[in-house]
Amino acid sequence: DTEVTQTPKHLVMGMTNKKSLKCEQHMGHRAMYWYKQKAKKPPELMFVYSYEKLSINESVPSRFSPECPNSSLLNLHLHALQPEDSALYLCASSQGRLAVRNTGELFFGEGSRLTVL
Amino acid sequence: AQRVTQPEKLLSVFKGAPVELKCNYSYSGSPELFWYVQYSRQRLQLLLRHISRESIKGFTADLNKGETSFHLKKPFAQEEDSAMYYCALSFLAGNMLTFGGGTRLMVKP
Repeated sequence: DTEVTQTPKHLVMGMTNKKSLKCEQHMGHRAMYWYKQKAKKPPELMFVYSYEKLSINESVPSRFSPECPNSSLLNLHLHALQPEDSALYLCASSQGRLAVRNTGELFFGEGSRLTVL
Repeated sequence: AQRVTQPEKLLSVFKGAPVELKCNYSYSGSPELFWYVQYSRQRLQLLLRHISRESIKGFTADLNKGETSFHLKKPFAQEEDSAMYYCALSFLAGNMLTFGGGTRLMVKP
C-alpha cells in the first residue's frame, strides 16, 4: 500500500459543530503532516508529527487540534471553525528525518474539502 | 526566512515547444529543492528532486546556487504535461516543505 488515504473527501459543517478529519498510511512513514490549501494557492503547512510527536505547529489557531494516535494515523479535530477556514486539507507522510534512506519526498492524500457555513 | 518564488502563474505553450518553469529561492542554509506536480483530478506528487539529478517524463532541473534558482525544463512539451507545478524547498532534515505559488502549465495542441 503506497497511498495516503484521507476521509471524508467532503465535509460541510456549521460553526458550532465538532468534526474530525482522518488520515492513514501504511508505508511505515514516521513523519506526517497537515497542510491547508485555499483555491488557487499553494499548500500551507499547519502541523508536523515526527515519530508520533508534534514537532511543528505553524501558529495554527486552537480551533484546529491535531492528534497522532499511532504511526499510521493522523487526525485533525475541528471545533468552532469560521467560514474562512473553508479549504482543502491535505495530509502527507514521509519517511522521517532519522530514516537511513530519507529522500525527503512527501506523499500526499487526495485531501478533505471542508466547507464551513 | 525561507522563501520560494515562481514568477509565472500561468505558462501557455504549444505542443512540441520548449518549456521552462522558473523557480527562485532564498534560504541561508543548504537547501533541498523539489518540483511537485498536480495533474487534473489527481493528488499532488513528486516530479523530481535536485539531489537525484535525474530526468523524469523528460523534465530536468538544475540547482544554480549562484542564482538561487531551480528552473524546470523540458525540450518538447506534450499535452499531457498540462498541470499545476509547484517548486518546493525542504529544510530541517526534510520536516519542513515550503511551496512556491505554483505555475499552471497549459500545453496547446
